[in-house]
Amino acid sequence: SQQGEEDPQALSIQEGENATMNCSYKTSINNLQWYRQNSGRGLVHLILIRSNEREKHSGRLRVTLDTSKKSSSLLITASRAADTASYFCATDGGSNYKLTFGKGTLLTVNP
Amino acid sequence: DAMVIQNPRYQVTQFGKPVTLSCSQTLNHNVMYWYQQKSSQAPKLLFHYYDKDFNNEADTPDNFQSRRPNTSFCFLDIRSPGLGDAAMYLCATSRDFNAGLQSRPQHFGDGTRLSIL
Repeated sequence: SQQGEEDPQALSIQEGENATMNCSYKTSINNLQWYRQNSGRGLVHLILIRSNEREKHSGRLRVTLDTSKKSSSLLITASRAADTASYFCATDGGSNYKLTFGKGTLLTVNP
Repeated sequence: DAMVIQNPRYQVTQFGKPVTLSCSQTLNHNVMYWYQQKSSQAPKLLFHYYDKDFNNEADTPDNFQSRRPNTSFCFLDIRSPGLGDAAMYLCATSRDFNAGLQSRPQHFGDGTRLSIL
């Protein structure tokens, strides 16, 4: 299976702190994507990083990708209580467009 | 706003009683997906449509079927729900993949939470 694995499974921080979540995967990819899921809601796409990119920014989000280590990280800076959610990485397996999601990191940001 | 809408948000059915979940989209995307997500787990792809072409995942139970009568609508039919089918069912869409078969961002509805009595 090429399923990604997020680390840690759960993370609790104070508002204003930075949150870092990691994702590891097993096979080659074209793209890696990060999604957020609020409790009881659908997933929201955050950012897509291509296999030939090493870093990408979007607002308070910073994603890195190391294809040699088959790993990615998502950094959320200056976290807010509204960032409380589960965060999933998803990989496309390198040869098709279907996504395989990791198990997710549950982030809790305490006010 | 363009979006993916799932109805109903909550569905309760009896063990063995067929149930249909619906999804509609205003994004005009070619590809529609159905995922099953159990508590604290990753979404698991059940099947997807590329236009009218249906693609089933190898491990999707025969109990699950899907229909896509037009671009905007897609249905998930569970013929004889068992207790193990209680889950959140998520519908998603994406634009067709580019020439390199690279994945696109997917747009999700808010899901239907299915309970089995």
